[in-house]
Amino acid sequence: DAGVTQSPTHLIKTRGQQVTLRCSPKSGHDTVSWYQQALGQGPQFIFQYYEEEERQRGNFPDRFSGHQFPNYSSELNVNALLLGDSALYLCASSLVSSGRSSTDTQYFGPGTRLTVL
Amino acid sequence: RKEVEQDPGPFNVPEGATVAFNCTYSNSASQSFFWYRQDCRKEPKLLMSVYSSGNEDGRFTAQLNRASQYISLLIRDSKLSDSATYLCVVNYQAGGFKTIFGAGTRLFVKA
Repeated sequence: DAGVTQSPTHLIKTRGQQVTLRCSPKSGHDTVSWYQQALGQGPQFIFQYYEEEERQRGNFPDRFSGHQFPNYSSELNVNALLLGDSALYLCASSLVSSGRSSTDTQYFGPGTRLTVL
Repeated sequence: RKEVEQDPGPFNVPEGATVAFNCTYSNSASQSFFWYRQDCRKEPKLLMSVYSSGNEDGRFTAQLNRASQYISLLIRDSKLSDSATYLCVVNYQAGGFKTIFGAGTRLFVKA
């Protein structure tokens, strides 16, 4: 049973560039959430995708966008990178069979460590 | 005020000790609660869900007090391998569900 996978593992970009991070959910899961974790902090919720739509969003600017594909995999895009975007980006998957449940357990991928120079 | 607040830590305890972590949340509409464990430079891993009736998994016991909006985690007979950061997590319904993490409490178990 494949767990959550993310790519790439590490990434180095310069200010102003754009980046795309990828996530494949755990087998059988249909919902993907993205988080940003700065050093020494807890993960911060970016957004959640279900049925190829963004269902919920945290306090992140429009530079952060995403997409979910029919196979439930997802991408996180960040435009106009800032130094402050350097962080560990985590993807978590869950199963929301009804589309409305809020009691779903999330399983995390290993993350992508983004460094912006 | 942060939506989810945890004991600042770090906690330094000897092997065999009992240690308790506390967490408070501000949104009374919160519906599900979890403790995750995160090792250095690794992803968070689910430790246990937290239920109103309290639940136990081996050396770990979690409690939820909805009236006080308070969650706790008790670790008995601490092992060196318990050294990690423990994250309190709260979900609440808002369209889909929205997940809020605490900043985490660092635990060091020493021989």
